[in-house]
Amino acid sequence: QQPVQSPQAVILREGEDAVINCSSSKALYSVHWYRQKHGEAPVFLMILLKGGEQKGHDKISASFNEKKQQSSLYLTASQLSYSGTYFCGTEAGAQKLVFGQGTRLTINP
Amino acid sequence: KAGVTQTPRYLIKTRGQQVTLSCSPISGHRSVSWYQQTPGQGLQFLFEYFSETQRNKGNFPGRFSGRQFSNSRSEMNVSTLELGDSALYLCASSRDRGAGNTIYFGEGSWLTVV
Repeated sequence: QQPVQSPQAVILREGEDAVINCSSSKALYSVHWYRQKHGEAPVFLMILLKGGEQKGHDKISASFNEKKQQSSLYLTASQLSYSGTYFCGTEAGAQKLVFGQGTRLTINP
Repeated sequence: KAGVTQTPRYLIKTRGQQVTLSCSPISGHRSVSWYQQTPGQGLQFLFEYFSETQRNKGNFPGRFSGRQFSNSRSEMNVSTLELGDSALYLCASSRDRGAGNTIYFGEGSWLTVV
């Protein structure tokens, strides 16, 4: 079953923060985050395994609430290069990665 | 280290024809998955191969098939093409199968059916 992402789209000015949420109706083993720029392949950002851990690199981080079956991606002090569509992918025991519909992020100067 | 390589990058086919897409995974990766990406449906899982065996299959008709070779390279085939098959087909590889493995995507094959 496909996870639900929110919001579907967001427009920011450079330097502002954004949060993208990913929810599933199933108990999750892991959550994967990817960013895709137009005409390019999705690029792996990070993976979070069950246990409620938080990960991050540079100004992009994510949390995973196993009990709520939710994950959130945090982008702080956004840069123009952060523009793109963000996908969360979830694994729920079936050993296949199912992706949400994506969140389109636009960063304006 | 080379990434996931897909060929061809772009192709146009006529309704009713068939098409074969190829994927070379990252060296050392043994699991290959295929996804279909369309504007309306997002990233839809097609199938996963590991050790030349299909391990998982998504909700696609039997016209969609695939295989994996002993060197982990994979092909997918779509027969009797329909207009709705126009999409970006993405191949992804991971070192192993099973939950928690990171998958890395190729740049995809853009298929247009006319």
